[in-house]
Amino acid sequence: EAGVAQSPRYKIIEKRQSVAFWCNPISGHATLYWYQQILGQGPKLLIQFQNNGVVDDSQLPKDRFSAERLKGVDSTLKIQPAKLEDSAVYLCASSEQVRSEAFFGQGTRLTVV
Amino acid sequence: QKEVEQNSGPLSVPEGAIASLNCTYSDRGSQSFFWYRQYSGKSPELIMFIYSNGDKEDGRFTAQLNKASQYVSLLIRDSQPSDSATYLCAVNMEYGNKLVFGAGTILRVKS
Repeated sequence: EAGVAQSPRYKIIEKRQSVAFWCNPISGHATLYWYQQILGQGPKLLIQFQNNGVVDDSQLPKDRFSAERLKGVDSTLKIQPAKLEDSAVYLCASSEQVRSEAFFGQGTRLTVV
Repeated sequence: QKEVEQNSGPLSVPEGAIASLNCTYSDRGSQSFFWYRQYSGKSPELIMFIYSNGDKEDGRFTAQLNKASQYVSLLIRDSQPSDSATYLCAVNMEYGNKLVFGAGTILRVKS
C-alpha cells in the first residue's frame, strides 16, 4: 500500500514570495491533516479536512496561508507572502476516519531567507 | 493549559532499562490516543495507539491509558540505543475532533 506522498521535499524561497505544497493521502483515507513543525517543537495542526470539508483550521494564519482539498483526495497548502518565521517542516498526514491512526508523509522542509 | 502536555526531557536511560514516557491531556472526552516516534530529520512514525482504559502491549512497547486522570503513558522495555528519538503523544480531541500533538519527549538510551 502506497504511503502519503508529499512534494517538494525541500524548498528555499525569499521572504514575501509565495510557495505551494502538495499532498496525496493514502488511498481511501477520508481525513487529511497539515501540520507545521518548527525545529525542536511538536507538530502544530494547521488544518484538518474530512473528505473535502474543513474540520478545524483554528491555527491556520488565514491572512497568508490557504489550503484546499478538491474532490476529497489530494490537497495543496499555499503560503503567500512568506515570512521568515514560516521556515519549518510542513507535514501532511492522513487517516481512514477522524479518530483512527494517522500516517505521515516525508514532509517538506521550507526555508525562507 | 496546553491541550497535550509532555515533559520535554531529555530522558536518559541505560541500555536494557525500562523507559517511561508520560502525557496528559485537557479534553476529558477524548477517545483516541497515539504514540509516535520521530528520529532527527524524519517524519513521525506511529508506534502505538490505545482507545480503552488499561494497558495495551505490542512487543517491547506498552501503552497505558487512564481516562479518569487524563493520563497516557508509554513504556519501552529493554531499551536499545536505536530507541533514542523524540516520542510524540497525540490525542484526538473530543472538542473539535482534531488531532493534537504534544511537544515531544527526547529519549536517550546510553550503551
